[in-house]
Amino acid sequence: GESVGLHLPTLSVQEGDNSIINCAYSNSASDYFIWYKQESGKGPQFIIDIRSNMDKRQGQRVTVLLNKTVKHLSLQIAATQPGDSAVYFCALGGTSYGKLTFGQGTILTVHP
Amino acid sequence: NAGVTQTPKFQVLKTGQSMTLQCAQDMNHNSMYWYRQDPGMGLRLIYYSASEGTTDKGEVPNGYNVSRLNKREFSLRLESAAPSQTSVYFCASSETRTRISGANVLTFGAGSRLTVL
Repeated sequence: GESVGLHLPTLSVQEGDNSIINCAYSNSASDYFIWYKQESGKGPQFIIDIRSNMDKRQGQRVTVLLNKTVKHLSLQIAATQPGDSAVYFCALGGTSYGKLTFGQGTILTVHP
Repeated sequence: NAGVTQTPKFQVLKTGQSMTLQCAQDMNHNSMYWYRQDPGMGLRLIYYSASEGTTDKGEVPNGYNVSRLNKREFSLRLESAAPSQTSVYFCASSETRTRISGANVLTFGAGSRLTVL
């Protein structure tokens, strides 16, 4: 079955630093991978996605890297800001319509 | 634009009581979902409705029932609540697929925190 895990449950950084959040997965049949951000008291919010045939994708201040060989996904946040403090989830999508498998989440804390 | 609205935000139940969590979306999305979120477990899919008139089980459906009342509304019912159902419940809807991966972009509600004593 599908499973998703995270290497680091918490990450603390200083404002302005770059942050890297990691995610390991087991289902090599996943078609796409998504990162969600969840702020306290709110539902998860879509950040960025990447298709399984890609290795890297960049957005605004965020970069997602996919290494299918070792089944590893990472989210890099450049110049981290206090507003980036949240829980970050990776999620896998496959052939089942709309059904995502979520990881456990990483708590990112950004100190001013 | 409200997006996805869930009610109630907080609820405390005694074991054996029943209740229904309500969810409504105003984005004209066809698909709706119910997830539960537990510490260290991420979000797990309970039930989903790919379109009006259809519902399907997700990863953890036991102890729950759902109703897709119309295109806007998708309710989750606990017939006999158990302490193991203490969790934060999220409703989501989707229609938009991303340009890059074709992934469903789920829009989540703010969550309903349920405690079963």
